[in-house]
Amino acid sequence: GAVVSQHPSWVICKSGTSVKIECRSLDFQATTMFWYRQFPKQSLMLMATSNEGSKATYEQGVEKDKFLINHASLTLSTLTVTSAHPEDSSFYICSAPKYRGNEQFFGPGTRLTVL
Amino acid sequence: SQQGEEDPQALSIQEGENATMNCSYKTSINNLQWYRQNSGRGLVHLILIRSNEREKHSGRLRVTLDTSKKSSSLLITASRAADTASYFCATGRFGETSGSRLTFGEGTQLTVNP
Repeated sequence: GAVVSQHPSWVICKSGTSVKIECRSLDFQATTMFWYRQFPKQSLMLMATSNEGSKATYEQGVEKDKFLINHASLTLSTLTVTSAHPEDSSFYICSAPKYRGNEQFFGPGTRLTVL
Repeated sequence: SQQGEEDPQALSIQEGENATMNCSYKTSINNLQWYRQNSGRGLVHLILIRSNEREKHSGRLRVTLDTSKKSSSLLITASRAADTASYFCATGRFGETSGSRLTFGEGTQLTVNP
């Protein structure tokens, strides 16, 4: 298999602050990573595709200025939730494909709670 | 419209019984994948079936795919308490090579009672 890590695993912040979440592929390189959001008892919703060396591609309805994505290297993508509000509280999960045409490997997720 | 709808939403069975979960989708696909998620954790890939395949096995898992009906099923045989989790189907879209964007179903919460 392949390993994808996320940091932090959970974070609590005050409303109005920004929070950065890291997604790393530990034993493989990923030119593409994906960011999902999952509300309690719901499915995963794709937010954006993170592309190494170029701009992220956002899904419809996702504010790119609020959810900043930076794919700085072949093993690291970051998601910054800017000016977080309580409605941004959610479980954020990243994934990366190790090979084209095969399954994706998911990080363990980051639980964000905005007070 | 929602891509990847699953039923049942929740399933409770006894250890040793078989569990069947179904998934339907709306658009043409390259492949369909099943994932498992333990509460509050990330997803674990279970099995991938390509659009030109009809059935696939992996251990106690059996997946079928009917592209004419745009549906798939996941069968877990001889279930164990440790199989308790949420199970999601996810589709990779036709025309996109993968590592492509996946669209997830609503998921089935499986509870296996000891």
